[in-house]
Amino acid sequence: NAGVMQNPRHLVRRRGQEARLRCSPMKGHSHVYWYRQLPEEGLKFMVYLQKENIIDESGMPKERFSAEFPKEGPSILRIQQVVRGDSAAYFCASPPGGSGANVLTFGAGSRLTVL
Amino acid sequence: AQSVTQPDIHITVSEGASLELRCNYSYGATPYLFWYVQSPGQGLQLLLKYFSGDTLVQGIKGFEAEFKRSQSSFNLRKPSVHWSDAAEYFCAVGINTGTASKLTFGTGTRLQVTL
Repeated sequence: NAGVMQNPRHLVRRRGQEARLRCSPMKGHSHVYWYRQLPEEGLKFMVYLQKENIIDESGMPKERFSAEFPKEGPSILRIQQVVRGDSAAYFCASPPGGSGANVLTFGAGSRLTVL
Repeated sequence: AQSVTQPDIHITVSEGASLELRCNYSYGATPYLFWYVQSPGQGLQLLLKYFSGDTLVQGIKGFEAEFKRSQSSFNLRKPSVHWSDAAEYFCAVGINTGTASKLTFGTGTRLQVTL
């Protein structure tokens, strides 16, 4: 979906390195959701952010994962000291209306491979 | 907590045949229900959604789904499948907490279409 831009599309990291995934919602929109899709599974909610605020991080792993959405620039999902179990597709989503509405538009995803 | 079950992991149908993908949900209130489709290596595309009103919902690409409250189901149907419909299909239930709208996804049904 062209409206929500994610990069990189593919990222390879070795165990112990850091991964940074970026997401830009549609222009002018300030709400972003991050989801993770492990191999052979459905997507699972990780975190919901508005500009400069984390609204709901109930799905984030307690350690090594963090997310931000600064006033300027894209939202970033950061994974420190990656492990093989972090290999997954990470999707960003934004409500087209720009609010917390239920209809989400997903980006094409960032696929992280940890060697 | 809400949950979604897609009992069929993999389905194969012949091109031109009809299709029904099953989805059952568990949620205490009236749910928001969605079907998304994911082609290999791609993001998720919304096929259709149910919020309220008519329980038979029409979507894109000739798909429809019927909400049956008594059965807690939201099955996806298509009268005649095309080879291009081969993909993975995810059912999801959404909740609007007032500050965040999170989707809970099923584990998906992979559709294979034979010619």
